[in-house]
Amino acid sequence: RKEVEQDPGPFNVPEGATVAFNCTYSNSASQSFFWYRQDCRKEPKLLMSVYSSGNEDGRFTAQLNRASQYISLLIRDSKLSDSATYLCVVNIGAGNMLTFGGGTRLMVKP
Amino acid sequence: DGGITQSPKYLFRKEGQNVTLSCEQNLNHDAMYWYRQDPGQGLRLIYYSQIVNDFQKGDIAEGYSVSREKKESFPLTVTSAQKNPTAFYLCASSRRLLPGEKLFFGSGTQLSVL
Repeated sequence: RKEVEQDPGPFNVPEGATVAFNCTYSNSASQSFFWYRQDCRKEPKLLMSVYSSGNEDGRFTAQLNRASQYISLLIRDSKLSDSATYLCVVNIGAGNMLTFGGGTRLMVKP
Repeated sequence: DGGITQSPKYLFRKEGQNVTLSCEQNLNHDAMYWYRQDPGQGLRLIYYSQIVNDFQKGDIAEGYSVSREKKESFPLTVTSAQKNPTAFYLCASSRRLLPGEKLFFGSGTQLSVL
């Protein structure tokens, strides 16, 4: 079993739609959780950290469920510019050793 | 502007050849990292360094080597022992090697085998 698993997609949605991605992680000792966005052949960029209480940044909402060991990302009112791959990232143990999921590809259509 | 610079953007390697990927940062970060990304895959850690003159193997270090002689620089050499080097290579840095520290990425180097 992979340490961090994501549905690779692609998720094809129309503009204005709401879309949600889930990510599961295997290590219950995981401490920090993030969502990164990556455009094709570009570097990943931090979208948001994920906190136990859940957090929101504009159209984006991230949630963490420690009991079930998954995190989620909800995007409301999808824009064409949201088309990208979304990487789930988990920090396991000491140091800043991040484990990346394989990414979920989102394609927003006009 | 502060940032992290990788070069070259594209690199081609011949059979049996060693090639070196450059990574420079002017963010005054202590920690630096090298990741490899294959198509449709997540990033996998090759090597990391938490301070000058110190570095540690990541999950897939075989066939790679690094040095950290200066705080600003963390070059990666892909040796001839790496039999499947074609991938997208990303360098990153963070202030410290501590959980939750934000990673800053370079723009990546695409390495291909001729």
